[in-house]
Amino acid sequence: DTEVTQTPKHLVMGMTNKKSLKCEQHMGHRAMYWYKQKAKKPPELMFVYSYEKLSINESVPSRFSPECPNSSLLNLHLHALQPEDSALYLCASSPGARAYEQYFGPGTRLTVT
Amino acid sequence: AQSVTQPDIHITVSEGASLELRCNYSYGATPYLFWYVQSPGQGLQLLLKYFSGDTLVQGIKGFEAEFKRSQSSFNLRKPSVHWSDAAEYFCAVGALSGGSNYKLTFGKGTLLTVNP
Repeated sequence: DTEVTQTPKHLVMGMTNKKSLKCEQHMGHRAMYWYKQKAKKPPELMFVYSYEKLSINESVPSRFSPECPNSSLLNLHLHALQPEDSALYLCASSPGARAYEQYFGPGTRLTVT
Repeated sequence: AQSVTQPDIHITVSEGASLELRCNYSYGATPYLFWYVQSPGQGLQLLLKYFSGDTLVQGIKGFEAEFKRSQSSFNLRKPSVHWSDAAEYFCAVGALSGGSNYKLTFGKGTLLTVNP
């Protein structure tokens, strides 16, 4: 089973709201990723967790806060977002954080009003 | 730093015709190469990967790709396109970036339209 699940599928939030995106995988993978994708653009890496520790933060604004509670779960906490943060947020996982393929979830379509 | 170029932004083919999507990469060492497909509003699905060995790799859905080191290319091919292949296709290179961090760098994508 090469499935990565993400909830919710769609999210609309105001600029003062706090919300969270959730990602889950049960493939025993030890690396998990958050990407942001704007329309007609490739995914942009935001964060990488390797063995539940944050290993890469691509200079993402602090209004995005990742969390990895265990090896199967990855959250992205959102607070005080801007309209330009509206995008498709993709989660991915891979067996390790080095030379492996990444498996992507279906994404959460986020709209900030 | 590594980079990926997909020269064709948009390609239109007729159903049943053959397909080749181009990908060129820049990286100092042997890269790890991938092709992903994305349908509108969906996540990315891995089509195939190249790590080492045989330079012609087979993937899912009847796709194949050939790694040519001399041309720094990893072109995706399919002998007969189906209407369901219409989607955005991303080529990606996996490489070390900034020490021990390993990242995927994506090309800008090629949108495939299939005419009936």
